[in-house]
Amino acid sequence: AQTVTQSQPEMSVQEAETVTLSCTYDTSENNYYLFWYKQPPSRQMILVIRQEAYKQQNATENRFSVNFQKAAKSFSLKISDSQLGDTAMYFCAPYSGTYKYIFGTGTRLKVLA
Amino acid sequence: NAGVTQTPKFQVLKTGQSMTLQCAQDMNHEYMSWYRQDPGMGLRLIHYSVGAGITDQGEVPNGYNVSRSTTEDFPLRLLSAAPSQTSVYFCASSYFTPGNSNTEAFFGQGTRLTVV
Repeated sequence: AQTVTQSQPEMSVQEAETVTLSCTYDTSENNYYLFWYKQPPSRQMILVIRQEAYKQQNATENRFSVNFQKAAKSFSLKISDSQLGDTAMYFCAPYSGTYKYIFGTGTRLKVLA
Repeated sequence: NAGVTQTPKFQVLKTGQSMTLQCAQDMNHEYMSWYRQDPGMGLRLIHYSVGAGITDQGEVPNGYNVSRSTTEDFPLRLLSAAPSQTSVYFCASSYFTPGNSNTEAFFGQGTRLTVV
């Protein structure tokens, strides 16, 4: 069974600075994907970034990038130039194609003006 | 451009009442699922479906029932509501094609359910 650990329940960062959210997971699958979803106060779940486990290159989407360490089963999210709109809950979710996304408990990020 | 539509957005039930949370998607996705979100526990999978006529239990299925008669619809039924079912419920749909790296889960806007 897959498990996901997000060890930082809450974090804060000053506007324009960089913050890293951590995620570790456990899976017996060889081929899988990893996702970070964002949930702002509006409650909507929004895809931030995805990573294919078979790709060694770390995914990047504008100010968001990941540090994917497959052997360590670690998948951290780096947010550069943090903006007030980045304030949200962030969920890490591995997905192995078994039709089920397994979510971590989330990290609540607050960006301070 | 509707995506995943969940209704209602808010609901208050009395203990013992039954109700159905509706979920519909217009993206022709095979896979649909229901999650509940509780403080400090993230999203936990209740039930999921890999296609019309096929459903299975997730991590926390007790007290909930689902059916999938069409590709578009995946309703979640609470048979006899209990205060422990007070939560925010999300419906999601997704697709997965081996080798297609664009797989993604799309979520409804959630239903905040309170059982008193």
